[in-house]
Amino acid sequence: AQSVTQLDSQVPVFEEAPVELRCNYSSSVSVYLFWYVQYPNQGLQLLLKYLSGSTLVKGINGFEAEFNKSQTSFHLRKPSVHISDTAEYFCAVSFPSGGYQKVTFGTGTKLQVIP
Amino acid sequence: NAGVTQTPKFRVLKTGQSMTLLCAQDMNHEYMYWYRQDPGMGLRLIHYSVGEGTTAKGEVPDGYNVSRLKKQNFLLGLESAAPSQTSVYFCASSQHGTGKWSGNTIYFGEGSWLTVV
Repeated sequence: AQSVTQLDSQVPVFEEAPVELRCNYSSSVSVYLFWYVQYPNQGLQLLLKYLSGSTLVKGINGFEAEFNKSQTSFHLRKPSVHISDTAEYFCAVSFPSGGYQKVTFGTGTKLQVIP
Repeated sequence: NAGVTQTPKFRVLKTGQSMTLLCAQDMNHEYMYWYRQDPGMGLRLIHYSVGEGTTAKGEVPDGYNVSRLKKQNFLLGLESAAPSQTSVYFCASSQHGTGKWSGNTIYFGEGSWLTVV
């Protein structure tokens, strides 16, 4: 079965510092990988996704993630965070199952940017 | 550019009452989903639909029913609400295509906060 692990439930970081949010997955089949962001009192929206090709994926708002197949990881990074990046971030894996797009979400990491 | 719209946004129910959450999408997506979000548990799939007139159970379907009579609408019903159903509910949709179809982006509504007392 496919699973996603986000080990850090909360990550505090000072403004303008770099940040890495960790995501590891387990799967017996090829998967597609996503990062979604949820701002307070809003729905989730796509930050970036990896389908194939270059293992370094760039997303919106200066975020990027690197797919590492050998370590089954898809960590999210930003070189310099802003207050507006305070949100909850969800890693997700997607694969075809029984004719539909099955998506498994991690439990989320709350990024708290400290002024 | 409405995307995915959910109503109502907030609701308080008494135990045993029934209600329906409405979801509408204007992107002509084939797939629609209902998730619930609880602290520390991420998003869990309740029910989903792969097309008009079809529905299927997700991870946590008990206590909920759904219907998809029209392609653009997906309704989530609670027949007899319980305090354990206090949660934030998200409707979502995605396009079913060919090729890398399981890499489709999922589009979420803004959520419906439900409290059962």
